[in-house]
Amino acid sequence: DVKVTQSSRYLVKRTGEKVFLECVQDMDHENMFWYRQDPGLGLRLIYFSYDVKMKEKGDIPEGYSVSREKKERFSLILESASTNQTSMYLCASSLSAHYEQYFGPGTRLTVT
Amino acid sequence: AQRVTQPEKLLSVFKGAPVELKCNYSYSGSPELFWYVQYSRQRLQLLLRHISRESIKGFTADLNKGETSFHLKKPFAQEEDSAMYYCALREARVSGGGADGLTFGKGTHLIIQP
Repeated sequence: DVKVTQSSRYLVKRTGEKVFLECVQDMDHENMFWYRQDPGLGLRLIYFSYDVKMKEKGDIPEGYSVSREKKERFSLILESASTNQTSMYLCASSLSAHYEQYFGPGTRLTVT
Repeated sequence: AQRVTQPEKLLSVFKGAPVELKCNYSYSGSPELFWYVQYSRQRLQLLLRHISRESIKGFTADLNKGETSFHLKKPFAQEEDSAMYYCALREARVSGGGADGLTFGKGTHLIIQP
């Protein structure tokens, strides 16, 4: 049974803070993804990674960066949090290309 | 650029009635299409993918390349079908690895009334 876990369910940060969102998968998946989910906008891809230390920009990478030092862990970094980054952040992983993406429970981030 | 359109934000039907959630896409290549579902307080999960051509929980979806649509259908709605439904697209790769993220529609909130 695939397990994708995210470090926090709820997070409250102040404008300008550096924020780390962590995601861990336990099924040796190659690919990992970060999306943000907003009402009325659906899910939008921020960044993804197909291998350790490899990353690709998604549709909305501005204001974000990522890190993948180990295969099982994919971190999303908000260098200087802003109020428009208040959102639900979903992590996902997949075995490789063409395989199903499995999602984590999400982290609801509020930036005040 | 690829795009997925779900025209209905909210769809409310009575239990036992047929359900159709619409999804249209624009993509120049040959896409893979998916339906994801998110029940209340649960994580997003895959419901259907067009290449598997199977029925899950009574739901089916047919890819119509002529109309660029991938509508989700169920003949008789049940209360437990109430959820948020997302249509998603991924570029189909002929070979090789790598990864591509999914392009999602904005979602349709399906409410089944008793």
